[in-house]
Order: sequence, then structure tokens, then C-alpha cells
Amino acid sequence: ELKVEQNPLFLSMQEGKNYTIYCNYSTTSDRLYWYRQDPGKSLESLFVLLSNGAVKQEGRLMASLDTKARLSTLHITAAVHDLSATYFCAVDMSGDYKLSFGAGTTVTVRA
Amino acid sequence: DAGITQSPRHKVTETGTPVTLRCHQTENHRYMYWYRQDPGHGLRLIHYSYGVKDTDKGEVSDGYSVSRSKTEDFLLTLESATSSQTSVYFCAISLRKDRGDTLHFGNGTRLTVT
Repeated sequence: ELKVEQNPLFLSMQEGKNYTIYCNYSTTSDRLYWYRQDPGKSLESLFVLLSNGAVKQEGRLMASLDTKARLSTLHITAAVHDLSATYFCAVDMSGDYKLSFGAGTTVTVRA
Repeated sequence: DAGITQSPRHKVTETGTPVTLRCHQTENHRYMYWYRQDPGHGLRLIHYSYGVKDTDKGEVSDGYSVSRSKTEDFLLTLESATSSQTSVYFCAISLRKDRGDTLHFGNGTRLTVT
């Protein structure tokens, strides 16, 4: 059974500082997804990582994948209030989009 | 916009009653999924479908059934609702245009079983 663990589960960020969210998974996979969810809303796709060493960046967010370590990181640079949300990583073990999700990291950015 | 509509958006029902949630898509995609979201668990796959009358169980399928008689509609039924099925239910589709695709989610149905 594939297990996906995120940490931390809650992250209070100070504006302007840098932070990292970690996503570990238990079974070999080279398909890793990051989503963002605002309260009461649907999930929005942020990044799709499909190979070892893959790095994707969008604005203040950068995601990377190390398939050998079974680890993905989501790095936030110079946090701003608009980044307050819950972030999920998800892994596709079989290649058919039956994603296994982490529990989510709830991010709050304070002034 | 992947053209996904979930209905109802909110529902309150009593224990023991049957409930059907609907996921409707407008773009003829084959692959559809039902997930439930609960605090501390992220999203968990309930059932999925690879086409009309082609469905299979996911990780947490007990107490749920699905039907897909038309490409555009994927129905999730709770045969006899229990309080443990209080959750937010998301439908998702996979476009499968290329390997870089992802799941696209509907707006969710918040179900409360009293």
C-alpha cells in the first residue's frame, strides 16, 4: 500500500521568509503532483513532476522530485499573504491517475 | 476549465437513507474518479471509471456504489448513509492528452449525515 506523508501539517509563515514543505512516499513512482486548495474550494493543480531531478517553478513556488529518496519538496520563497492555503502532494504509482494524496499542509502567512 | 459540475453542492441527510451524488462533464472524457476529503486524510479514492459501464473500486469503496451509463455522468451512491460518510466529495477527470496531465477536480459536494 502506498503511503504519502507530508510535513509539516501546519505551517505558520512570516511574510518575506522562505519555507519548505516535504512530501515522502513509500513506493517507487516517478509521477508526483502538487495541488493547492483554498478554504471551501476545489483543488487547483500547481505542478506535475515526472522524472528524477525534475524541478518546476511558478512565481514564489518551486517544486522538485528525488525519486531515489522518494521525496518531493515544495519551496516557498519570500512568503506573501496570497499563498495562505492548503497544499497537497499526490503520487501516482500505477500511471493511471489513481492518485494517493498526502494529508495536506495548511499554510498561514502572517505579516 | 474541464467542464465538471457536481450536484448537489450541499446535502444533509439522515442515517440509513440512500443518497446519490452526480458528477457531470461536458467534454466527453473517458476517465472519471470519485474522492472523499476528510481532515487528516487528504483525499482518498472511492471509485473510478474508465468508460461507460467500466468502473472499479478504489481505496475506500465500502458502503459506496457507482454507475456510469453515459459518458458524461458518473453517479456515486451511498446505499444507506452513515455518519462516517459525512465528508466532502470531489469528482475528478483525467484528460490524458499527454503524460504531463493531472487530475481536474469539480467544486465538491459537502455531505452531512445526521
